[in-house]
Amino acid sequence: DAKTTQPPSMDCAEGRAANLPCNHSTISGNEYVYWYRQIHSQGPQYIIHGLKNNETNEMASLIITEDRKSSTLILPHATLRDTAVYYCIVKGNGQNFVFGPGTRLSVLP
Amino acid sequence: GAVVSQHPSRVICKSGTSVKIECRSLDFQATTMFWYRQFPKQSLMLMATSNEGSKATYEQGVEKDKFLINHASLTLSTLTVTSAHPEDSSFYICSAGTGTSGGAGAKNIQYFGAGTRLSVL
Repeated sequence: DAKTTQPPSMDCAEGRAANLPCNHSTISGNEYVYWYRQIHSQGPQYIIHGLKNNETNEMASLIITEDRKSSTLILPHATLRDTAVYYCIVKGNGQNFVFGPGTRLSVLP
Repeated sequence: GAVVSQHPSRVICKSGTSVKIECRSLDFQATTMFWYRQFPKQSLMLMATSNEGSKATYEQGVEKDKFLINHASLTLSTLTVTSAHPEDSSFYICSAGTGTSGGAGAKNIQYFGAGTRLSVL
């Protein structure tokens, strides 16, 4: 079973920031938080990952709470091409990636 | 990021035939590759872990004699669906990582192929 909880769907206006939450209250000390997204009929695409500190790359920012029990993926300026299912995954050593249902983000014009 | 190539992207076959799907890591070596299956409107389900030079590890409920996995080199894993039936119709996706098997963190990001849509008539 997935170790994360995400809202099933969200809408975001084009050009605005999309903030996707993820709850992982049972995360353990050596487990990382990974974010992937899957555009319709394609394989998942890696976005970002983190352990404790906030992370930023060219695609997104990842904000992890101090207690590490939740995180937020931020797409700073959402475009129509960002419409996808976003998966938040918690994984540690010796574990496989387990995909939950994710959040279906719809970016609206 | 690293590139994983999956071929073919779509297969339509008759019931009873076998179908081979290839997964290649193009710019890195992968000691471990993974095979997933995704049914419509559902999430990805791990089928098996493909280990270079050794037998694959199958998840519970996945028939190893039906889904044959071969990982002959550090850049190629194949999944063969033997004697395919309509219930095997699904979206099959492979992934490969740049790190050690089962690790975590920056060295263990999984990169996914584009997927293969199998339709068995």
